[in-house]
Amino acid sequence: KAGVTQTPRYLIKTRGQQVTLSCSPISGHRSVSWYQQTPGQGLQFLFEYFSETQRNKGNFPGRFSGRQFSNSRSEMNVSTLELGDSALYLCASSGRTVDTGELFFGEGSRLTVL
Amino acid sequence: AQSVTQPDIHITVSEGASLELRCNYSYGATPYLFWYVQSPGQGLQLLLKYFSGDTLVQGIKGFEAEFKRSQSSFNLRKPSVHWSDAAEYFCAVVLDSNYQLIWGAGTKLIIKP
Repeated sequence: KAGVTQTPRYLIKTRGQQVTLSCSPISGHRSVSWYQQTPGQGLQFLFEYFSETQRNKGNFPGRFSGRQFSNSRSEMNVSTLELGDSALYLCASSGRTVDTGELFFGEGSRLTVL
Repeated sequence: AQSVTQPDIHITVSEGASLELRCNYSYGATPYLFWYVQSPGQGLQLLLKYFSGDTLVQGIKGFEAEFKRSQSSFNLRKPSVHWSDAAEYFCAVVLDSNYQLIWGAGTKLIIKP
């Protein structure tokens, strides 16, 4: 069974640009969550999508957005990039029930903003 | 506010020694409890979980954790660590109020040869 796939794995952008990250969950999983991980702030929850609807949202500015498609694949977008957006962005999918908290993570997309 | 505390940012143990990583949470009821591990350059992997029942739970890679309601703790243990256990370990809880995961700050485990 294929795991959670995130693309791209690494990317470099400059301030002011925008970026789109993609996440393909485990087949059959309907929930996708996104996290930002930095050395200073640790793991921070961005948002969670379930059946194409945003179900939970973390405390991030509106520059961070996401969506989920009918096949459960998800994308997140960051507009007007800032240096502080440099981070590892992790996607996680959840299976039988999203409410158990058992998540399956991808390897992440490492974003560097110059 | 609900929170998860991992008091140790770094822990160094010798290979073959025992390990205990601490996790405390603040919440009135019993949450769902998890330990995840993140190896360098990787995503997180679930080590073990506690939902209910036996308070000592076994996980993958020889890890176990014990839920102690009176102490609001869910400490992770391993009797003998291996160099491959060097990683960052995260404790997390799910609160039934909104089903959102609350994460600890993580403990980085360093193994001395």
